[in-house]
Amino acid sequence: GAGVSQSPSNKVTEKGKDVELRCDPISGHTALYWYRQSLGQGLEFLIYFQGNSAPDKSGLPSDRFSAERTGGSVSTLTIQRTQQEDSAVYLCASSLTGAAYNEQFFGPGTRLTVL
Amino acid sequence: GQNIDQPTEMTATEGAIVQINCTYQTSGFNGLFWYQQHAGEAPTFLSYNVLDGLEEKGRFSSFLSRSKGYSYLLLKELQMKDSASYLCAVRDVGNDMRFGAGTRLTVKP
Repeated sequence: GAGVSQSPSNKVTEKGKDVELRCDPISGHTALYWYRQSLGQGLEFLIYFQGNSAPDKSGLPSDRFSAERTGGSVSTLTIQRTQQEDSAVYLCASSLTGAAYNEQFFGPGTRLTVL
Repeated sequence: GQNIDQPTEMTATEGAIVQINCTYQTSGFNGLFWYQQHAGEAPTFLSYNVLDGLEEKGRFSSFLSRSKGYSYLLLKELQMKDSASYLCAVRDVGNDMRFGAGTRLTVKP
């Protein structure tokens, strides 16, 4: 079956603009995660969705970042008033459930460049 | 908070064995993962350890000692395609997973 997909694959924007990044998880996966990976850095957890429960937003770096997951499937990560330090690869992952032992399957990522 | 430490870079020879270490300090522990990430690609799952001991899966094995906050990934019979970054990640009792910065492995002929 299809894996996790993300769009766009690359996004170049100007400082101060808003951007939306999309993630389509694997069908049937109830858990969805957003991470970002800066050059030479480890993956940084941003937000977690599990079913219809309230999302865990503890990793969001500022109130300029928000995410939604509609119908328990597609998710959108929105960054408002982008800053140059937001430049990174944004990775989405899904797993069958939110249980710790469930493998997370990653999408190819969206490379965001803020000029 | 959590610290996940692993070497930045390692080099090994094709056909050899390499061990990539990871130490962690966490407030809670609900499992340790190893992922492989080739340049420009998404991470792919390699292993999961939640109990002490060695888990073997083909050429790759992963070891965990919870009392020492220590894990290693062992790669045997190295192949050129094993050149990649290897990410150690710890799942806390919450929902987030903390990743180390990754170990970039270069396999040379």
